[in-house]
Amino acid sequence: QSALTQPASVSGSPGQSITISCSGTSSDVGDYNYVSWYQQHPGKAPKLMIYDVSNRPSGISNRFSGSKSGNTASLTISGLQAEDEADYYCSSYISSITHVVFGGGTKLTVL
Amino acid sequence: QLQLQESGPGLVKPSETLSLTCTVSGGSISGSSFYWGWIRQPPGKGLEWIANVYHIGTTYYNPSLKSRVTISVDTSKNQFSLKLSSVTAADTAVYYCARSWPRSLDYWGQGTLVTVSS
Repeated sequence: QSALTQPASVSGSPGQSITISCSGTSSDVGDYNYVSWYQQHPGKAPKLMIYDVSNRPSGISNRFSGSKSGNTASLTISGLQAEDEADYYCSSYISSITHVVFGGGTKLTVL
Repeated sequence: QLQLQESGPGLVKPSETLSLTCTVSGGSISGSSFYWGWIRQPPGKGLEWIANVYHIGTTYYNPSLKSRVTISVDTSKNQFSLKLSSVTAADTAVYYCARSWPRSLDYWGQGTLVTVSS
């Protein structure tokens, strides 16, 4: 399976909104409403931020939102804060045999 | 609160087998609808899903690693394990264990760095 495609980097100023895209195919992102997003700070384990395209786990700020159109999913972070600076990874369910594929990751810089 | 902790050697010689164990606390591996998996991250690079196991022993593998990987579960110890054979420097990575739905991974261990070097 091929990795999903994400921009290498995005940036924004505090208070602004940014969107990170995650492009797949009709066999992964386009075929299932099972896209997840993870936040990873340096030296830390990834943290689930969004699951099933647009759902937030308990405790995740509503500044984080997800959406999907066709073969591309998106993560939007509104009201950017310094603590949002991290790497973000998307993933998609593939099948009942080979479960998950990740995107290459996007480094978010808060200016 | 569910917690996962990876353990195993931090240094493995080329051509040998990497072996890691994940101990789960604060919840039971058996009798749940969750899967348990391994993910790795080479230094400075992205995440790669390796494998999942269900508590009854059903296994699921990344096709690119399938020929070298074995994942197993020991419900009596509330642990699951990873073996990766014939390792090379390209297998140097932080290895994470995680609880899998399997479409999302919601609880992660802290990760353990495994270096392949002679």
